[in-house]
Amino acid sequence: DQQVKQNSPSLSVQEGRISILNCDYTNSMFDYFLWYKKYPAEGPTFLISISSIKDKNEDGRFTVFLNKSAKHLSLHIVPSQPGDSAVYFCAAMDSGTYKYIFGTGTRLKVLA
Amino acid sequence: DTGVSQNPRHKITKRGQNVTFRCDPISEHNRLYWYRQTLGQGPEFLTYFQNEAQLEKSRLLSDRFSAERPKGSFSTLEIQRTEQGDSAMYLCASSLAGARESGANVLTFGAGSRLTVL
Repeated sequence: DQQVKQNSPSLSVQEGRISILNCDYTNSMFDYFLWYKKYPAEGPTFLISISSIKDKNEDGRFTVFLNKSAKHLSLHIVPSQPGDSAVYFCAAMDSGTYKYIFGTGTRLKVLA
Repeated sequence: DTGVSQNPRHKITKRGQNVTFRCDPISEHNRLYWYRQTLGQGPEFLTYFQNEAQLEKSRLLSDRFSAERPKGSFSTLEIQRTEQGDSAMYLCASSLAGARESGANVLTFGAGSRLTVL
């Protein structure tokens, strides 16, 4: 049972435009959500997080939106840069267990 | 602090051999996690520790897998009688328990240990 889903395996965006990466979850006990970026041969690197008590969190070019009723979150990158090309994973945590569940990832390619 | 360190970075072994991976977390982090990642998949949870106590193990972790965190510092993940299906990237991550506003509960990953079983 895939509790965290990223239904788009890949996404291509022109440099300077907005990248929108989506993530859906099924477990209503999840109350903390994170986005990670991964380059080949490296471990995932933390980007931004959001608690379930908020619906938006912003950090520079990165904004995460959370829609609890739809069990959906999205990561917006504006403006997209070629260096943003990587695989992006969303993760969800249940504060009762402190176990983090990851999605399958979306490969973002930003075209110069 | 140099972050989360994993050794070895690469391990090639023959089927049936035992392998051990080591993880040194960020020194002040009290939680340590092991994940496994295969091609095209996200990190899959294996187990985690709070200090030296192993709090949860995934059903993915068969009897051939064992993890330890003596004294609540570094951790080891041992795979006995390796099988070709064990080939994967094994990722270690650590975090600090605390208030989220302080930046706690964010997993910091190591670079991973890639296992190839021939």
